[in-house]
Amino acid sequence: EVQLLESGGGLVQPGGSLRLSCAASGFTFSSYAMSWVRQAPGKGLEWVSALSGGGSATDYADSVKGRFTISRDNSKNTLYLQMSSLRAEDTAVYYCVKTIGEVVTGIPVSWGQGTLVTVSS
Amino acid sequence: NFMLTQPHSVSESPGKTVSISCTGSSGIIGSNYVQWYQQRPGSAPTTVIYEDNQRPSGVPDRFSGSIDSSSNSASLTISGLKTEDEADYYCLSYDSGRWVFGGGTKLTVL
Repeated sequence: EVQLLESGGGLVQPGGSLRLSCAASGFTFSSYAMSWVRQAPGKGLEWVSALSGGGSATDYADSVKGRFTISRDNSKNTLYLQMSSLRAEDTAVYYCVKTIGEVVTGIPVSWGQGTLVTVSS
Repeated sequence: NFMLTQPHSVSESPGKTVSISCTGSSGIIGSNYVQWYQQRPGSAPTTVIYEDNQRPSGVPDRFSGSIDSSSNSASLTISGLKTEDEADYYCLSYDSGRWVFGGGTKLTVL
């Protein structure tokens, strides 16, 4: 069974940084691309970033490009999202999502439970 | 920029059939797969349809997906509605290096 456990969320001041982690189990982690999707309070879903299984290819939403960095450690079965220059509009629940293929364009299908990031002074 | 448009809300009675539409702003639907996600209140999303019309294991066959390339739209159809189907539903497709979600549709089963 696929399990995805996000951590690292919390309260951070505007302009600050935070790193989210997603511990994966139940599948061969390095064989699948992974994504981050977020949801602001009371709002819809927004795709944030994706990373290929081998870690060589990335995609980012325009709203986070240049501020967020997605990465993975396949030896630890863990996905990361390094967030910097955080803004109030980055406040959201961040979901880690497994895709159905290795390539960065893999379709998101299996979701974690999410971790809340709040950007506020 | 590519956009996916969904109705804000739909409602139907238990046992009936409902369809939720997802219309693309350009001719992407039909060229790229469409996915559908269900999100119950207070819970993480789950996948109910991927690759236009494929159901993940565990999703009942009451859920089906279809594409109409001529109208650049996709639809999620739920038959034999149950109260547990009451949730927000989101469509998702891909264009030019990014994934795009529809705004979501609130399904009320009353």
